[in-house]
Amino acid sequence: DVKVTQSSRYLVKRTGEKVFLECVQDMDHENMFWYRQDPGLGLRLIYFSYDVKMKEKGDIPEGYSVSREKKERFSLILESASTNQTSMYLCASSLIAGGGGYTFGSGTRLTVV
Amino acid sequence: AQTVTQSQPEMSVQEAETVTLSCTYDTSESDYYLFWYKQPPSRQMILVIRQEAYKQQNATENRFSVNFQKAAKSFSLKISDSQLGDAAMYFCAYGGATNKLIFGTGTLLAVQP
Repeated sequence: DVKVTQSSRYLVKRTGEKVFLECVQDMDHENMFWYRQDPGLGLRLIYFSYDVKMKEKGDIPEGYSVSREKKERFSLILESASTNQTSMYLCASSLIAGGGGYTFGSGTRLTVV
Repeated sequence: AQTVTQSQPEMSVQEAETVTLSCTYDTSESDYYLFWYKQPPSRQMILVIRQEAYKQQNATENRFSVNFQKAAKSFSLKISDSQLGDAAMYFCAYGGATNKLIFGTGTLLAVQP
């Protein structure tokens, strides 16, 4: 089974800190995604990547950046954390464009105080 | 742009009964995929069922089945013989040519013993 691992289950950070959320997949998937999940809003796409060193903005990229130096690892960076970035962050990967669906990590619940 | 709408924020069902979760979507694409994902309290997103738009036959997976109405752009999920373990947040998702999944806002399903 494909496994997507997010490095932290819970994180508490202070306003203004630079925050790194790490995601690793073990099945050689080309595509990786970062979503943010908030009550009543569902999952919203922050950034995605089709290949190493390639990235594209999703629907809500403001305040975030990403890094994909290796195929298996996709990092989400909060340049200067703010309280409105308190949320659940979900990483996902996929092999087949569109039709294969995603494999998700178990999420990181980030609290910015 | 594609959109996915889940109009039922919460649903409740008695154990062993049947429940239907609604989902509608909007798209101008002719080839696409539709998904239902389950997110239990563990937060791990699990793929429940997948439907290819070009297939007229409704997908089924054990107690889970869909009613796919392409002309009406409707994709409902039916859970038969509901079990306590079915209690979760359910997300409907659309996957088209862009390889990004677009999610609805979710339906929280409670199963009463």
